[in-house]
Amino acid sequence: QKEVEQNSGPLSVPEGAIASLNCTYSDRGSQSFFWYRQYSGKSPELIMSIYSNGDKEDGRFTAQLNKASQYVSLLIRDSQPSDSATYLCAVRRTGGGNKLTFGTGTQLKVEL
Amino acid sequence: GAVVSQHPSRVICKSGTSVKIECRSLDFQATTMFWYRQFPKQSLMLMATSNEGSKATYEQGVEKDKFLINHASLTLSTLTVTSAHPEDSSFYICSAFRTADTEAFFGQGTRLTVV
Repeated sequence: QKEVEQNSGPLSVPEGAIASLNCTYSDRGSQSFFWYRQYSGKSPELIMSIYSNGDKEDGRFTAQLNKASQYVSLLIRDSQPSDSATYLCAVRRTGGGNKLTFGTGTQLKVEL
Repeated sequence: GAVVSQHPSRVICKSGTSVKIECRSLDFQATTMFWYRQFPKQSLMLMATSNEGSKATYEQGVEKDKFLINHASLTLSTLTVTSAHPEDSSFYICSAFRTADTEAFFGQGTRLTVV
């Protein structure tokens, strides 16, 4: 079982729709959770971080964390073509220093 | 603006030669930096943790004699790919944390092509 799992996609949504990206993790010692956006040929950029159960909203983005289910998700409202990218889920475990473990990423395509 | 700068952004080298990649924290001191490698359509894989003033910590399966890491100052870590081969062609990315922050900042990445 991979430590961090994501559906590779591609996930296609029409412009203006809600895109829902999911991630599961295996290590219950994980304490911090991050969503990064990566455009082709570029390095990742942080979209959201979440540390406690529940929802965290920032603009069009909402991160959801359920530690009991070992599940973290990212919702993108009013999806735009510029949101088309690969979204990487990353987790950091307790006692792991600042090491991040990444999922394989989900490719999102927002279609006109 | 960028808080972690990586150089060069792109390099092509001949098989058997060595290539050095620099990672700098621009406005903060980083006692620890991380080096990742990303093959096409795959995720970031941590190669090693670079520790200022001490030896790097390598992940399982990463050859420390091939991927030399030096973290001689609080703002600079370097990764040298020695005796590069075509299979080393990849996207190399460094990251660092600011002490007061809990999120990682990434460099721009280096696209290495070994011919």
